[in-house]
Parts: sequence; structure tokens; C-alpha cells
Amino acid sequence: DVKVTQSSRYLVKRTGEKVFLECVQDMDHENMFWYRQDPGLGLRLIYFSYDVKMKEKGDIPEGYSVSREKKERFSLILESASTNQTSMYLCASRGSGQTYGYTFGSGTRLTVV
Amino acid sequence: KNQVEQSPQSLIILEGKNCTLQCNYTVSPFSNLRWYKQDTGRGPVSLTIMTFSENTKSNGRYTATLDADTKQSSLHITASQLSDSASYICVVSAKDTGRRALTFGSGTRLQVQP
Repeated sequence: DVKVTQSSRYLVKRTGEKVFLECVQDMDHENMFWYRQDPGLGLRLIYFSYDVKMKEKGDIPEGYSVSREKKERFSLILESASTNQTSMYLCASRGSGQTYGYTFGSGTRLTVV
Repeated sequence: KNQVEQSPQSLIILEGKNCTLQCNYTVSPFSNLRWYKQDTGRGPVSLTIMTFSENTKSNGRYTATLDADTKQSSLHITASQLSDSASYICVVSAKDTGRRALTFGSGTRLQVQP
């Protein structure tokens, strides 16, 4: 089974802090994604990466950056956390090919106070 | 604009009863449709995946249907159990748009009561 592991289940950070959310997958997948999930809005794509050191903006990249130095690890960075970034953050990975499924991590519930 | 709409937004049923969740989409060109189950505080877990040529697919007590002509899908849950309480998310993938192909519905929150 593919495993996608997010380093923290719950995080509480202060406004203005720099926040790192880590995601690791163990199936050598090329594609990795960061989403945030808010009530009534569904999942929204923040950033994705299709190879090491390659990244593309999703639908809501403002206030975020990412890093993919190794294939198995994709990090989401909140440069200066704000209260409107309080959300559930989900990491996902997928192999190449249209029929490959997406595997999600368990999520990180971030609260910015 | 690609969209996925799910109904109802929430649903309460008694244990042992059946229910059907709906998903309408306007994603084009269509590649496949997935149903995910998401327990509270956890990441989504895939239940079924259906391509254009598939009309129905089952996974235990879960049966998904797809009508590619009307762009509708349903997820039918048979003999519900308390553990079915979760959010169910419909996700549609578009062809040829590479890595950012997914469009997510907002989900249906199902509560199964004893």
C-alpha cells in the first residue's frame, strides 16, 4: 500500500510565524500535491510538483511556497502565517498515467492564532 | 469552468438503511471519476474509480454508477453501518491537463444513527 505521511496531525502557530508542513511518500511517485480543505469549499489546490525541484502553482498559491529537494518529500511553507490560513492541509501523491489513483495523507489541522 | 456539484450536502439515516449520494459534473474532457470516503480529521480514501466506458462499479456495500451522457454519478450504500458515517467526496479528472486535472466536489456528510 502506498503511504503518504504528514509529519503533524495538529499544529497551533502564532500569526507571523514561518510554518513548515512536511509530506513524505514511499512509492516513488513523481507527482505530489498540497491542498487545503475548508467547510463548504471542498479541496483547493495550493501547489503541485511533478518532479524533484519542479513545482507549479495551483489555484490558491498566495501566502504559500513549496520545496521538493527529494522525490519522496514535498514541503509546504507558510512564509508568515495568518489567521485565514487556519485550515486542514492535505498532501497527496500520484504515479504517472491517468488511471493512477491519488493517495492522500491523513491531514494536518493547522490553527493560526 | 470545470465544476463538480454534490447533493445532498448532508444526510442522516438509520443504521441498516440504504442511501444514495449524487454527483453532477461539467468537467471536460472527462477522464475518470472517483468517490472518496473521508472520516473526520483524516485524509480521503479512495472507494471507486470509473472511466468513461464503465457504468457501474462495486466495492463491498458501496456501488457507484456513472452516466457519461448526462454527466452524473451516484454512490449507493447498502445496509448502512455506523462506520459509514463520514464525508463522501466526488472527484472528477480531466484528460490531457496533466498534473492538475482534479476537480473536487464539496462532499456529502453522512451520519448513520443507531
